[in-house]
Amino acid sequence: EVQLVESGGGLVQPGGSLRLSCAASGFTFTDYSMNWVRQAPGKGLEWVSYISRSDGTIYYADFVKGRFTISRDNAKSSLYLQMNSLGAEDTAVYYCARDVSLDYWGQGTLVTVSS
Amino acid sequence: QSVLTQPPSASGTPGQRVTISCSGSSSNIGSNYVYWYQQLPGMAPKLLIYRNNQRPSGVPDRFSGSKSGTSASLAISGLRSEDEADYYCAAWDDSLIAPGVFGTGTKVTVL
Repeated sequence: EVQLVESGGGLVQPGGSLRLSCAASGFTFTDYSMNWVRQAPGKGLEWVSYISRSDGTIYYADFVKGRFTISRDNAKSSLYLQMNSLGAEDTAVYYCARDVSLDYWGQGTLVTVSS
Repeated sequence: QSVLTQPPSASGTPGQRVTISCSGSSSNIGSNYVYWYQQLPGMAPKLLIYRNNQRPSGVPDRFSGSKSGTSASLAISGLRSEDEADYYCAAWDDSLIAPGVFGTGTKVTVL
């Protein structure tokens, strides 16, 4: 069974940093690209970042470029999102999702940016 | 950030057919596959349709997708109470303002 479990969310002050993790199991992690998608409270979905199977290709949404860094550790079957210079507009549930089709999603981890 | 336009709401009675539209541009829907996701209240989204009109294993054939030019649509036939949810379309975007772009979302209500 495919499982994606996010962690690392929480309350952070404006300007602060946070690192999200996504532990994958139930499939061969190296066979799939991975993504981060977020959803602000009561709002729609936003595609945040994409990383290819081998790290060779990485994309970011314009609204996080220069602030967020996506990475993966294939040996640990894990995906990461380093988030710096956080602002209130980054408050959201962050989901990791598998493949270009986003065929499997984790349950999400809530990031709240507030003083 | 939503680049794909959907109607905010749609509704129908049990057994009816409901259609949701998704309008984009040449850089996204016009040149890439369309995906559809269902999000039940308090849950993570779930893939409903991939590559314009393909259903993952386990998705009922009441759900169907189509694409024409820079627009796409999702049809739900034989509407059931458990179909009440938010629905989002998505597509990769060649302009790379984001890895991909989502629709604005449509809330489907079963009357």
